[in-house]
Amino acid sequence: QKEVEQNSGPLSVPEGAIASLNCTYSDRVSQSFFWYRQYSGKSPELIMSIYSNGDKEDGRFTAQLNKASQYVSLLIRDSQPSDSATYLCAVRSGGYNKLIFGAGTRLAVHP
Amino acid sequence: EPEVTQTPSHQVTQMGQEVILRCVPISNHLYFYWYRQILGQKVEFLVSFYNNEISEKSEIFDDQFSVERPDGSNFTLKIRSTKLEDSAMYFCASSEARGGSAYEQYFGPGTRLTVT
Repeated sequence: QKEVEQNSGPLSVPEGAIASLNCTYSDRVSQSFFWYRQYSGKSPELIMSIYSNGDKEDGRFTAQLNKASQYVSLLIRDSQPSDSATYLCAVRSGGYNKLIFGAGTRLAVHP
Repeated sequence: EPEVTQTPSHQVTQMGQEVILRCVPISNHLYFYWYRQILGQKVEFLVSFYNNEISEKSEIFDDQFSVERPDGSNFTLKIRSTKLEDSAMYFCASSEARGGSAYEQYFGPGTRLTVT
């Protein structure tokens, strides 16, 4: 059974701080990794995708991938109260396109 | 900015009834998906659809479920005889095709299905 694991949180950070969200996955052949943000009662919104080992930056967001450790993370710099949401890690494995989601980490940014 | 749309936003139905959930994927996308999320649980894959046929389906997607692309824009999920445990948010998603950023899936706003 392919699994994606995330700490459920809540992760509480002060406004302006760096929030660090982590995810591990079980399938070694996983190829594509995604971070989605989900506000309560809303649909997942794609924030970042990463396919190669290393860092990928987009604005205040940095995704980090380490395939050897089967680990992917998301850093949010200068966290804002509007970043308060559940962050979902999703993994695509094999030759198909289906995404396997983690349960999500709830982030709370307090003023 | 193009987006996936879904109708209705909320559907209430009685157990045993048939429901059809509708989606309009992003216009140049070729892969279409249905996912569901039971309240408080993970987002779960149901089915993917490409070139007018199912490319992959999960164990959840049994004979009670079917998908169809009835025309050039709509993509539907039908549940033939709903059960209480089908109550969930159903999300439609689409992606361009294979390769690179084309794997990125964009989700619609969802249909909340309540089975009573």
